[in-house]
Amino acid sequence: EPEVTQTPSHQVTQMGQEVILRCVPISNHLYFYWYRQILGQKVEFLVSFYNNEISEKSEIFDDQFSVERPDGSNFTLKIRSTKLEDSAMYFCASRNTGVRNTEAFFGQGTRLTVV
Amino acid sequence: GESVGLHLPTLSVQEGDNSIINCAYSNSASDYFIWYKQESGKGPQFIIDIRSNMDKRQGQRVTVLLNKTVKHLSLQIAATQPGDSAVYFCAEIAGTNAGKSTFGDGTTLTVKP
Repeated sequence: EPEVTQTPSHQVTQMGQEVILRCVPISNHLYFYWYRQILGQKVEFLVSFYNNEISEKSEIFDDQFSVERPDGSNFTLKIRSTKLEDSAMYFCASRNTGVRNTEAFFGQGTRLTVV
Repeated sequence: GESVGLHLPTLSVQEGDNSIINCAYSNSASDYFIWYKQESGKGPQFIIDIRSNMDKRQGQRVTVLLNKTVKHLSLQIAATQPGDSAVYFCAEIAGTNAGKSTFGDGTTLTVKP
């Protein structure tokens, strides 16, 4: 069964460093998303991406964040200068259409720890 | 006191019993809702969805009820199995962006054999 894969599973970085979280969405999917989940808190929407551009972003997704689809398979989230409060699980998801009742498939997440 | 409708952070049930997990949503404009299951070490997994023009939808062993008057959702799992042990949370969508969900607090379901 096709799945969304994320690497690495766990990333530890020093405050102020840049990190890139990587995702390989399901191959025929066209809509891509990043979410984060701070430990013990709700999942939060960060950004949606379609047709090589951001379609919508949340207030959390400030100038420190960027997303890119550098090739036909990867979808990345970059945090330019990490802060302690960026520590969280980051989930990537994809769906093959933008229709709401199309199931989104989530990756297993990357745990980011900023020290 | 009555607990029906209240969100509980944890729920423990015996295998074979039915489970009811509750969620309160906040946005009156939300018109589409999803229940997710999240197992340890995994990402959220779609279980069932419901549009606001419905008040009930059934899947395989799961039923979602929607009460728009009090902005409340529930997920009923019939004949709960150990494999159902996970965190469950609801999500609401108010616009056309399928992925821009507002997620609720999770309920950790533990199924005792």
